[in-house]
Amino acid sequence: QSALTQPASVSGSPGQSITISCTGTSSDVGVYNYVSWFQQHPGKAPKLMIYDVSNRPSGVSNRFSGSKSGNTASLTISGLQAEDEADYYCSSYTSSSIWVFGGGTKLTVL
Amino acid sequence: QVQLVQSGAEVKKPGASVKVSCKASGYTFTNYGINWVRQAPGQGLEWMGWINPYNGNRNYAQNLQGRVTMTTDTSTRIAYMELRSLRSDDTAVYYCAKQWLSGYYFDYWGQGTLVTVSS
Repeated sequence: QSALTQPASVSGSPGQSITISCTGTSSDVGVYNYVSWFQQHPGKAPKLMIYDVSNRPSGVSNRFSGSKSGNTASLTISGLQAEDEADYYCSSYTSSSIWVFGGGTKLTVL
Repeated sequence: QVQLVQSGAEVKKPGASVKVSCKASGYTFTNYGINWVRQAPGQGLEWMGWINPYNGNRNYAQNLQGRVTMTTDTSTRIAYMELRSLRSDDTAVYYCAKQWLSGYYFDYWGQGTLVTVSS
């Protein structure tokens, strides 16, 4: 099972919006609504930001939103803040009953 | 509150084995699966496998089959991940993460355990 494809880096200025894509296949992202997004600050454990494509866990800012179209899922962060600077990973459940992660995207807040 | 507390850092020689523990608290242990995810230095996340503490069912990533064993002790609420025949490319931070058995996402993660494989 190959990793999901994410851009290596994205950047934006405070207050702007950015979108991170996550491209899979018809065996994972395309067939299940089980895409999650994680935020990871340096030296810290990943934190769940979005689950089941577009749901936010309690306590996660509504500036974070998720969507999916075909084999590609997306994470959008609106009203960028300095604290959003981190690595972001997508993951998906697959038809092989395993999970697969994306390669990660480094978000820089300019 | 939910907590997953992992064992401390390990240094192992190539060919040795390591066993990492993950102690759960703050939720019903047998209602949630435990996944293990690792992250090599400067690299992305890699899913290693999953175990259901309720019935012991498990599923491992294909590239680790034969070298990894995941177990749980429901009396102490501890999950274990043992990796054998260690190689230098097993050097990574190893995380446990809980997953609701009726869901498909990892909602809480342990703090991570650094395993260094070096001669």
